[in-house]
Amino acid sequence: QSVLTQPPSVSGAPGQRVTISCTGSSSNIGAGYDVQWYQQLPGGPPKLLIHSNNNRPSGVPDRFSGSKSGTSASLAITGLQAEDETEYFCQSYDGSLNIYVFGTGTAVTVL
Amino acid sequence: QVRLVQSGAEVKKPGASVKVSCEISGYRFSAYFIQWVRQAPGQGLQWMGWMNPNTGDTNYAQKFQGRVTMTRDTSTSTAYMELSRLTSDDTAMYYCARDQHQDWFDPWGQGTLITVSS
Repeated sequence: QSVLTQPPSVSGAPGQRVTISCTGSSSNIGAGYDVQWYQQLPGGPPKLLIHSNNNRPSGVPDRFSGSKSGTSASLAITGLQAEDETEYFCQSYDGSLNIYVFGTGTAVTVL
Repeated sequence: QVRLVQSGAEVKKPGASVKVSCEISGYRFSAYFIQWVRQAPGQGLQWMGWMNPNTGDTNYAQKFQGRVTMTRDTSTSTAYMELSRLTSDDTAMYYCARDQHQDWFDPWGQGTLITVSS
C-alpha cells in the first residue's frame, strides 16, 4: 500500500554518515510535492525530522539533512549516534491518487 | 506546549464501529486541520483523511469512503474519528496529527491501538 519506496535497512558505525533514499514517481515527488521525513522510536508516534524537503524544525539536530531531486529524496544522518537506531519514514502527496503517501520505512542500525 | 492526547486502546468485534478521540491543547483548535493516519502492526503508515476544525469540512481517502467519519467538538477542542464495519484488517494503531500547511504532520498524538477480533 506504500507508494514511496525506501530500503528496508541501512547501517553504519558510530560517527559515520548514512543516507536513506525515498523513491517516488511523476505523480508525487516528481510532480513537485514536498517531501517530509519522520523518525519513529519503538512503540511511539512518528516525529517530524525534516519538512519541505530540507527544513529542520527547531530542536532537530543538524546531523539530519534532507534533499530532493527528480522523483526521489534522501535523508542523510551524519555523525551517526546510538540513539539514531530506529525507523524512518518519508512522506509526500500524490496528485493522481489525491492522498498523502508514505514510504515503506527504513530501519537504521548503528553497528 | 502543543499536545494531542488520544483515547485509550479498544478491542472490537468484526462488524462493529469504533470512535477514537483526539484532545488538543496548547494552540487554537480551529487554526489547524487535523489529520488521521493508521499503522497496522509491523507495517507502514496509511493516510485516512483530514478534518477542518473551523468548518467541520472533511476529506477522506477513497479507501475509507463510506466507512469513516471525522467530526469535532469545538467546546472541548476534541477531534473524533469513527470507523465502521470493522474487520481484522482494521487492527492498527490510529494516530491524529496536526496538519501544517496541508503538507506535513506535526506533532502527532500518542496513538490509539484498535484490535478487531472475534
